[in-house]
Amino acid sequence: NAGVTQTPKFQVLKTGQSMTLQCAQDMNHNSMYWYRQDPGMGLRLIYYSASEGTTDKGEVPNGYNVSRLNKREFSLRLESAAPSQTSVYFCASSEGRGTGEAFFGQGTRLTVV
Amino acid sequence: QKEVEQNSGPLSVPEGAIASLNCTYSDRGSQSFFWYRQYSGKSPELIMFIYSNGDKEDGRFTAQLNKASQYVSLLIRDSQPSDSATYLCAVNWGYQKVTFGTGTKLQVIP
Repeated sequence: NAGVTQTPKFQVLKTGQSMTLQCAQDMNHNSMYWYRQDPGMGLRLIYYSASEGTTDKGEVPNGYNVSRLNKREFSLRLESAAPSQTSVYFCASSEGRGTGEAFFGQGTRLTVV
Repeated sequence: QKEVEQNSGPLSVPEGAIASLNCTYSDRGSQSFFWYRQYSGKSPELIMFIYSNGDKEDGRFTAQLNKASQYVSLLIRDSQPSDSATYLCAVNWGYQKVTFGTGTKLQVIP
């Protein structure tokens, strides 16, 4: 039982490049989330998916897109990376009651130069 | 966006002592409250949640909630060096609406 798995764990991008962060969960959870964590800013929600087939913006969605591929997988895409997107990205899932009981992946440390 | 405030610390306590971590929140209608532990370089891990006023105990951890004062705390009894981590407070203030605090760094000194 792997829980929430994110790939890659580390990534360096040049400004303007694109990439997709992958996330998969094996807990049969309805809701999935993408957060970014920056020093002094805490965890901030980028996008979430309350159920398969739906996605919604969170607090900081600009510069990102998401896809809920199926119930297990939720990807985050940076179309044109900017240095301001340097951060640690976490994917999370929950049973779907919309509460804060979430299980987090191991994180992706992204640097944009 | 609702606010969740935590003292960033570090909070230093000797091994075996009680560590007290505090969190205040801005939305009076918030219904559920969570404490996550995050070791350096790792992902957050849920350790406690509380929905009702009062205390909730789980092993060495006690969560305390006072909705009138908009205050939630986490007590760690018999603190161990392995408890050294950053503790994040999270508040659920609506459907899919959760705000995290910036965390309090706890250092347990052997």
